Amino acid sequence: SQKIEQNSEALNIQEGKTATLTCNYTNYSPAYLQWYRQDPGRGPVFLLLIRENEKEKRKERLKVTFDTTLKQSLFHITASQPADSATYLCALGTALIFGKGTTLSVSS
Amino acid sequence: NAGVTQTPKFQVLKTGQSMTLQCAQDMNHNSMYWYRQDPGMGLRLIYYSASEGTTDKGEVPNGYNVSRLNKREFSLRLESAAPSQTSVYFCASSEAGGFTNEKLFFGSGTQLSVL
Repeated sequence: SQKIEQNSEALNIQEGKTATLTCNYTNYSPAYLQWYRQDPGRGPVFLLLIRENEKEKRKERLKVTFDTTLKQSLFHITASQPADSATYLCALGTALIFGKGTTLSVSS
Repeated sequence: NAGVTQTPKFQVLKTGQSMTLQCAQDMNHNSMYWYRQDPGMGLRLIYYSASEGTTDKGEVPNGYNVSRLNKREFSLRLESAAPSQTSVYFCASSEAGGFTNEKLFFGSGTQLSVL
């Protein structure tokens, strides 16, 4: 069955550093992959979508890569801020399948 | 612009009781979805509706029924609630009909406890 894994449940970094979150998948070849942000008690909010023919996509301080050979997507937040603290979810294809999420904590 | 609105926000049920979770979107979206989110399990798709008048099962449909009442509204019904259905339920919508490369817009969720 299709499986999606996010590298760790929690990631703690210092303000100003780059946060890198990993999303790996198996038994699936999605045409695209999505990333969402979820704050406590709230629904997920869409951040970025990257297609299989795009190696990299950027939006302000966010960067997503998509390696279909490795079956992996990396999500980077540069110059991280405490306001970036949240849970980040990756989703395969049409968001039918979500990863469990990585909770990022940025300390000042 | 309200987006996706879910009611109620919180609900406590006893085992065997029934209830309906309501969801409405005001973005004229074609597709609507119901997910549940459990600790350690992530978001799992229960049912979805690619267009008005159609519904399909997702990954975990057992114990649930849905109704796409019109283009705006998509309800989720628990006929006989069980403790295993204790979860946070999210409704979402997307602009396109069917599954395309469209982002989802989520509601704020319903926290349901079944005792």
